[in-house]
Amino acid sequence: EADIYQTPRYLVIGTGKKITLECSQTMGHDKMYWYQQDPGMELHLIHYSYGVNSTEKGDLSSESTVSRIRTEHFPLTLESARPSHTSQYLCASSEQSGLPEAFFGQGTRLTVV
Amino acid sequence: GESVGLHLPTLSVQEGDNSIINCAYSNSASDYFIWYKQESGKGPQFIIDIRSNMDKRQGQRVTVLLNKTVKHLSLQIAATQPGDSAVYFCAERGSGNQFYFGTGTSLTVIP
Repeated sequence: EADIYQTPRYLVIGTGKKITLECSQTMGHDKMYWYQQDPGMELHLIHYSYGVNSTEKGDLSSESTVSRIRTEHFPLTLESARPSHTSQYLCASSEQSGLPEAFFGQGTRLTVV
Repeated sequence: GESVGLHLPTLSVQEGDNSIINCAYSNSASDYFIWYKQESGKGPQFIIDIRSNMDKRQGQRVTVLLNKTVKHLSLQIAATQPGDSAVYFCAERGSGNQFYFGTGTSLTVIP
């Protein structure tokens, strides 16, 4: 079992609200990632980080923002949620060296009404 | 929510048969590939990986084949079991060390 945790697992929120999806890992991994996945669809990289104070945008444009103040924590924030943000958000982490595989959290299923 | 990609292809196999799941990747410079299994309501889980300097790698009941000429990966599952029913994704590691996922395949095992 990977030691990477996402909260909340499920979230239903009204349009215009600010939300933060939490992701934490206890493996000491430098690299962390956020993916967006609609039901039955592909995973698309929306943000990634190489380490503390490093954040980059992925290949899918997203209105969300991320921060990486601590190695273990990589929260994703939507300043003003919209129904188009309804999706599943998956967080992952991997080592800078050594085993390069990415470990995934359970995901947060977000519904904006 | 707005769709962000294609609907997944599906594969149905009888329990006990072998399964072959295929994946095309896009970047000829990718040096590392992983197959993930995603069960309903869960995040993807690592199955097997392969580096670009290899053509084949075997695990327990699974084999990954890499054809760099045509940028193609396949995952072979021997003696498929009902617990193998899931969505399978291949992922490639890009030049920036981030992982990009291919279109997954939904595998259904018929008892």
